[in-house]
Amino acid sequence: AQSVTQLDSQVPVFEEAPVELRCNYSSSVSVYLFWYVQYPNQGLQLLLKYLSGSTLVKGINGFEAEFNKSQTSFHLRKPSVHISDTAEYFCAVTEGSYQKVTFGTGTKLQVIP
Amino acid sequence: DTAVSQTPKYLVTQMGNDKSIKCEQNLGHDTMYWYKQDSKKFLKIMFSYNNKELIINETVPNRFSPKSPDKAHLNLHINSLELGDSAVYFCASSQRVNEQFFGPGTRLTVL
Repeated sequence: AQSVTQLDSQVPVFEEAPVELRCNYSSSVSVYLFWYVQYPNQGLQLLLKYLSGSTLVKGINGFEAEFNKSQTSFHLRKPSVHISDTAEYFCAVTEGSYQKVTFGTGTKLQVIP
Repeated sequence: DTAVSQTPKYLVTQMGNDKSIKCEQNLGHDTMYWYKQDSKKFLKIMFSYNNKELIINETVPNRFSPKSPDKAHLNLHINSLELGDSAVYFCASSQRVNEQFFGPGTRLTVL
């Protein structure tokens, strides 16, 4: 069965500093991986996704993530964060053609001015 | 145009009541979902429908009953509401194995 682990529940970071949000997954088959962002009182929206091809995936708002199959990780990075990046970030995984998506428990990114 | 819409946005009700939440998507997607997000932001899938057919039914009390009249709509009916049902409920849709588009959420408060 698939599972997702986001070890960091909260990540405080100063404005303009780099950030990495960690995501590890567990699956017995090939996977599709996603990062979503949730701003306060809103629904989730897609930041980026890995379906196949290049393991380095670029998303919106300057975020990128790297799929590492050997380490079963899909960490999210941004070289310089902005106050507006303060939000909850969710990693998600789905297996093959099965349409069930499993979400991680979320990481709250708090950007400090 | 809103891609995935939910009504109502807020729902405050007494324990024991029955309530419904409606969801509509205009993206032409085949699959729709209901998620429950608790106060700790944990997001848990409840149901999924593909072309009006139930394909995912997680361990959810049978007081919760989804209904899909057509592939653009997925409604959630909850009977005999309990305090523990208080949460934010999100509807989402997707096309095959791809990103999900989420609605704005319905904040349910049971008193």
